[in-house]
Amino acid sequence: AQKVTQAQTEISVVEKEDVTLDCVYETRDTTYYLFWYKQPPSGELVFLIRRNSFDEQNEISGRYSWNFQKSTSSFNFTITASQVVDSAVYFCALSEAPYQKVTFGTGTKLQVIP
Amino acid sequence: SAVISQKPSRDICQRGTSLTIQCQVDSQVTMMFWYRQQPGQSLTLIATANQGSEATYESGFVIDKFPISRPNLTFSTLTVSNLSPEDSSIYLCSLGGTQHTREQFFGPGTRLTVL
Repeated sequence: AQKVTQAQTEISVVEKEDVTLDCVYETRDTTYYLFWYKQPPSGELVFLIRRNSFDEQNEISGRYSWNFQKSTSSFNFTITASQVVDSAVYFCALSEAPYQKVTFGTGTKLQVIP
Repeated sequence: SAVISQKPSRDICQRGTSLTIQCQVDSQVTMMFWYRQQPGQSLTLIATANQGSEATYESGFVIDKFPISRPNLTFSTLTVSNLSPEDSSIYLCSLGGTQHTREQFFGPGTRLTVL
């Protein structure tokens, strides 16, 4: 069975600080896909990234970066120079294929204080 | 990228009634998924809806409570039956990305409040 653990329930940072959201996953599949989603207070899910298990290269997109390490089954997400608009709940998720059902972690609520 | 719409966006219902949520996609997809997000919680898969076959339900979810229809490749409905306050949640439909896209698409959600 697949499982995603986000140990950090809530994080508060002051604006412009860097923050890392942790994600640890469990799966028996050799091929799998990892996701990060942002859910602002409005409720919609905003797709941030999908990474497959064969691609361990770290990715950077603006102030966002992701560190995928198969050796530790982790897929951590870092926001550099955080902004108030980053305040949201962030979900890490896992699926066995890009168009199959997704298993979500419990989410990390990020509050960025001005 | 695919466009997913859900109706209604929100509703307030009385205990014992039912609500049917519609999910419309602008392209044909084989598999659609229905998720529930209870207040302050993560998303939990209710069922997988395939066109032309019965939906596949996850543990803890039953067809009598959550009947699903999938009449074609662009549309699905989820009915939440015999509503109770515990059913107050956001319900989201989802479709898998294709081999040529990276995104796993989710609809905007239906926010249900049961009084």
